[in-house]
Amino acid sequence: NAGVTQTPKFRVLKTGQSMTLLCAQDMNHEYMYWYRQDPGMGLRLIHYSVGEGTTAKGEVPDGYNVSRLKKQNFLLGLESAAPSQTSVYFCASFTGNGMGYTFGSGTRLTVV
Amino acid sequence: EDQVTQSPEALRLQEGESSSLNCSYTVSGLRGLFWYRQDPGKGPEFLFTLYSAGEEKEKERLKATLTKKESFLHITAPKPEDSATYLCAVLGTNAGKSTFGDGTTLTVKP
Repeated sequence: NAGVTQTPKFRVLKTGQSMTLLCAQDMNHEYMYWYRQDPGMGLRLIHYSVGEGTTAKGEVPDGYNVSRLKKQNFLLGLESAAPSQTSVYFCASFTGNGMGYTFGSGTRLTVV
Repeated sequence: EDQVTQSPEALRLQEGESSSLNCSYTVSGLRGLFWYRQDPGKGPEFLFTLYSAGEEKEKERLKATLTKKESFLHITAPKPEDSATYLCAVLGTNAGKSTFGDGTTLTVKP
């Protein structure tokens, strides 16, 4: 049981490049989330999904897009990376009740 | 809008010196209050869920309690390996989207 798997773990992008971060969960959770975490700012919600085929904006969605075509996968896309998107990105999944979120180990992204 | 405020931002303790972390919250229809532990360079790890005022949960040296406005994470006789950032989050009636506090960074010196 792998839980939540994020790929890649590290990435360096040049300004203007695009990339996709992949999150996969094997727990059959309905809810999935993408957060960014910057020093001194805590977790900030980018986008989330309450089920396959659904997405919704969080508190910092600008510059990001997401897709949830399959229940187990939640993709985060950066169409034109900016230095302000340098951060650690965490994916999480949730059943909807009971135990809390299960987080992945994070993707450390640097945009130069 | 749901809100979570954690205090203090940072706490330094000597090994064996017990203390408490505070999580103050406002939420529309509490469905759960969650505590997580986050080690440097890793994702948060779930510790406890509390559902109603008066409820308590324990795990090793940690005990979480809940009132209608606050939750406390009590740490009894901490060890250096308890050093981490502790996050509090609430889940309200906006199903599936928790609100997180900014965390308390605990450092336990040997």
